[in-house]
Amino acid sequence: DTAVSQTPKYLVTQMGNDKSIKCEQNLGHDTMYWYKQDSKKFLKIMFSYNNKELIINETVPNRFSPKSPDKAHLNLHINSLELGDSAVYFCASSPYASSGRVGAGANVLTFGAGSRLTVL
Amino acid sequence: EDKVVQSPLSLVVHEGDTVTLNCSYEVTNFRSLLWYKQEKKAPTFLFMLTSSGIEKKSGRLSSILDKKELFSILNITATQTGDSAIYLCAVGSGTYKYIFGTGTRLKVLA
Repeated sequence: DTAVSQTPKYLVTQMGNDKSIKCEQNLGHDTMYWYKQDSKKFLKIMFSYNNKELIINETVPNRFSPKSPDKAHLNLHINSLELGDSAVYFCASSPYASSGRVGAGANVLTFGAGSRLTVL
Repeated sequence: EDKVVQSPLSLVVHEGDTVTLNCSYEVTNFRSLLWYKQEKKAPTFLFMLTSSGIEKKSGRLSSILDKKELFSILNITATQTGDSAIYLCAVGSGTYKYIFGTGTRLKVLA
């Protein structure tokens, strides 16, 4: 029973194409995230949704568009792919309630296995 | 701007050695500090620290937080080759945001 699952695991595509990565969590968490990990293994936050509402949008090109149809899913669509988009994209979730209540367990991020995107 | 800095960037030790990994931070509205271990795939959770001076332990790993000096350390005693990984420090800032450091790449030689 995978807690946070991402598809596809690997994606190889040409510059200029459009691609999507999907993420689903079965933990009942309220908050989901997309992180980008570059070749030096630095994890940088891109987006976060809490109960389908966008709450964090870092300085990411508008070619990247997240969509959260419900609180268990957070997808990432990328238009006009560039070489610099090659990276591993991690989806994560945490159990924050929309009321903002914070308990000890609410702080922990659970990650998916990652989606390695290679742009040629 | 929120910042999390880990040191050293990389470390090579022999089995049985003890290592200390450092994480310092400057963030607005500190909430918690988390340590993760990343081998080939997803980062896996090790510890969450919210209060100064309280050591968290799990087997040969332990961690402590100093909120006055704004840093945390992760200790691994009697290292094994299975400890080889990237160790990531993340700081919760505000209600939802987590900022990661650059990680420490640890290699343990047999």
